[in-house]
Amino acid sequence: EAGVAQSPRYKIIEKRQSVAFWCNPISGHATLYWYQQILGQGPKLLIQFQNNGVVDDSQLPKDRFSAERLKGVDSTLKIQPAKLEDSAVYLCASSFPGGFYGYTFGSGTRLTVV
Amino acid sequence: AQTVTQSQPEMSVQEAETVTLSCTYDTSESNYYLFWYKQPPSRQMILVIRQEAYKQQNATENRFSVNFQKAAKSFSLKISDSQLGDTAMYFCAFILPQGGSEKLVFGKGTKLTVNP
Repeated sequence: EAGVAQSPRYKIIEKRQSVAFWCNPISGHATLYWYQQILGQGPKLLIQFQNNGVVDDSQLPKDRFSAERLKGVDSTLKIQPAKLEDSAVYLCASSFPGGFYGYTFGSGTRLTVV
Repeated sequence: AQTVTQSQPEMSVQEAETVTLSCTYDTSESNYYLFWYKQPPSRQMILVIRQEAYKQQNATENRFSVNFQKAAKSFSLKISDSQLGDTAMYFCAFILPQGGSEKLVFGKGTKLTVNP
């Protein structure tokens, strides 16, 4: 089966600019997650969707981050304006509801804010 | 809140030898799921092995096995016959059933280097 697709793979922007990441989950996976992974740390959940509804966005810095999942399939994560501390790898993952059999992750987008 | 602790930031092992990575977690619940993920330099997180807390039998997947000690809240990963391709970050992770809002919580990871 096709994996979780993410783009772009790398992005370099200046602080205060905006950036968007795209994710296409595995077909049939109702649950989609965006994680932020800062260098040297484990991934931290930013937002969780079930179909096209938000389940958990408690860790999402809503003053600058936004995410949507139209039609319950693809998702975009946007940062506007970016700060230096947003430099990280942004991982998208999908699973069947509950995630008890594990998540399938994409290859991530490495964002560098200069 | 659930927490996952990996106390070994870095480890190294010689090719063909065995290495054990440690993980402890904190929860007051009795039903949960534990995972080990591998993240090579390509960045993609790959599921290595999964354990259901209500199963006493330790999970095994080829050269990978776990030592699950529920009372001690310990979930270590043993890699036998280490190969160069096992070089990666390894993350221990945990899911607690929460009626639809489950999420995977990760430890900080252990960087494993397999030396030729």
